[in-house]
Amino acid sequence: AAGVIQSPRHLIKEKRETATLKCYPIPRHDTVYWYQQGPGQDPQFLISFYEKMQSDKGSIPDRFSAQQFSDYHSELNMSSLELGDSALYFCASSPTERGQETQYFGPGTRLLVL
Amino acid sequence: AQSVSQHNHHVILSEAASLELGCNYSYGGTVNLFWYVQYPGQHLQLLLKYFSGDPLVKGIKGFEAEFIKSKFSFNLRKPSVQWSDTAEYFCAVNAWGSGNTGKLIFGQGTTLQVKP
Repeated sequence: AAGVIQSPRHLIKEKRETATLKCYPIPRHDTVYWYQQGPGQDPQFLISFYEKMQSDKGSIPDRFSAQQFSDYHSELNMSSLELGDSALYFCASSPTERGQETQYFGPGTRLLVL
Repeated sequence: AQSVSQHNHHVILSEAASLELGCNYSYGGTVNLFWYVQYPGQHLQLLLKYFSGDPLVKGIKGFEAEFIKSKFSFNLRKPSVQWSDTAEYFCAVNAWGSGNTGKLIFGQGTTLQVKP
C-alpha cells in the first residue's frame, strides 16, 4: 500500500539558511499534518491543512510557513534557521472521514542546523 | 487544553515478561485514542486505535489496549514481549468538534528495552 512520502530524508543547513520540506500524502487523503520531534521528545503539532486550506496551527514559529497544493502535497518552508530547529519533522496524512481519522506518518525529514 | 500523560518513561523487561504501559489523558469531550510505536531510527507506526465501541481493542503484533472512560485511561498491554518490541511507545489523543481539528496530542513517550 502507498505510504506518506517525505523529501528530503536528511537535510543539513547552516544557521540563517532556509529549508523546504515536502510531504506527499497517501492518495485520496485530503488532510495533512506537520509535527516536529526534537531529540528525545514527543512529536509536537505544527500546522495542518484540509482541502488546501490551513485548518489548525500549533507551536509553529513565525519563521516557518506551509501550504497545501492542488495535488494535496504540502511544503513546510523554514527560514532564518536556528540551531534549535534541528529535529525530525514528520508529516502525516488522513482520509476524508471527519471525526474518526487515523493519521499515517511519513518517514520524516531529519534536519540538522549547524 | 488536552494533555496526555504516560506514567513510565523507561521500562526494562526480559523476554516473555508481560507489559503494561500507562496512559492518561485530560479532555472533557469525545476523544479518539491511539498508540504509536517508533522503532529506533524509524517513523511512527500505528499499533492500535480506539474510536468507539468495545473498549478493549486489539492491534498489531499482539498488543492490546483498554479504554476506561471513568479513569481517562488507555493502557497498552502485551502478555509476552519479545526483543523486537524494543522501541519508543507513544500514546496520543485527538478530538473533533468545538474548535478541535484532529491534531494529535502525544504523551512523553515510554522507552521499552527488552533484554534477550
